[in-house]
Amino acid sequence: GAGVSQSPSNKVTEKGKDVELRCDPISGHTALYWYRQSLGQGLEFLIYFQGNSAPDKSGLPSDRFSAERTGGSVSTLTIQRTQQEDSAVYLCASSLGHVGPSTDTQYFGPGTRLTVL
Amino acid sequence: AQSVTQLGSHVSVSEGALVLLRCNYSSSVPPYLFWYVQYPNQGLQLLLKYTSAATLVKGINGFEAEFKKSETSFHLTKPSAHMSDAAEYFCAVRSGSYKLIFGSGTRLLVRP
Repeated sequence: GAGVSQSPSNKVTEKGKDVELRCDPISGHTALYWYRQSLGQGLEFLIYFQGNSAPDKSGLPSDRFSAERTGGSVSTLTIQRTQQEDSAVYLCASSLGHVGPSTDTQYFGPGTRLTVL
Repeated sequence: AQSVTQLGSHVSVSEGALVLLRCNYSSSVPPYLFWYVQYPNQGLQLLLKYTSAATLVKGINGFEAEFKKSETSFHLTKPSAHMSDAAEYFCAVRSGSYKLIFGSGTRLLVRP
C-alpha cells in the first residue's frame, strides 16, 4: 500500500517568505507527527496530532511555525517569515495511533528539503 | 526525561565484517526503543523495535539488536556488512506514549 507522502520534495525560498509543506499520511492512520532534521539540531519533534484531540505543539521552535490537520488526514506545516535557520529537512510520520505503544509504529515520509536563501 | 546517546558519529567497516552500532538510553520507565535507517535523500525506514517481548530483536536486512537493561544499551549488529548497508542509522526512544527522541545518528561506511 501507499506510504506517507510529502510535497514538495524540495523547496527553495527567500528569507521572509511564507512556506507550506504538505503531508499525506497512510490511510487509516489517526496519528500524525512532524519532525525536523537539521545539521545543528539532529532529528527533533515538532508537533503531534491524534484524531480530534488538541495537538501537542510543544516542539514548535517559534510562533512562526504552525500546523493543521484537515479532516483527520492531510496535514500542512506552515512557516511564516522564513529565516535561514529554518533550512532543514522536514519529515512527516504517521501511525495507527489507537493501539498500545508496543504495537504503534511510526512510518516516515521521504521529507521536504527546505532551503532558505 | 528520556534520552538516547549514539557513540560514534561515523563507523567504517570492511565488506563482510561485523557491524556494531552503539546506542545507550536513559529512561525512568521501561523504554520502547527503535532503530531506523536513512539512505541518502530518503526518509527514515524502521529496522527493528524493542517492546519488552524479547530482549533480542531481529529486524530487516539481517540486523538485530539486544536490549540490556543492566547496561542501558540497545546496540545494533549485523554479522556481515554489505555495501548496500552504507547509510545513516538512528536509535530512538519513545517518550511518553508517542513522541520519538532520536540519537544524533551514526553514519556507516562500508569499504570494499
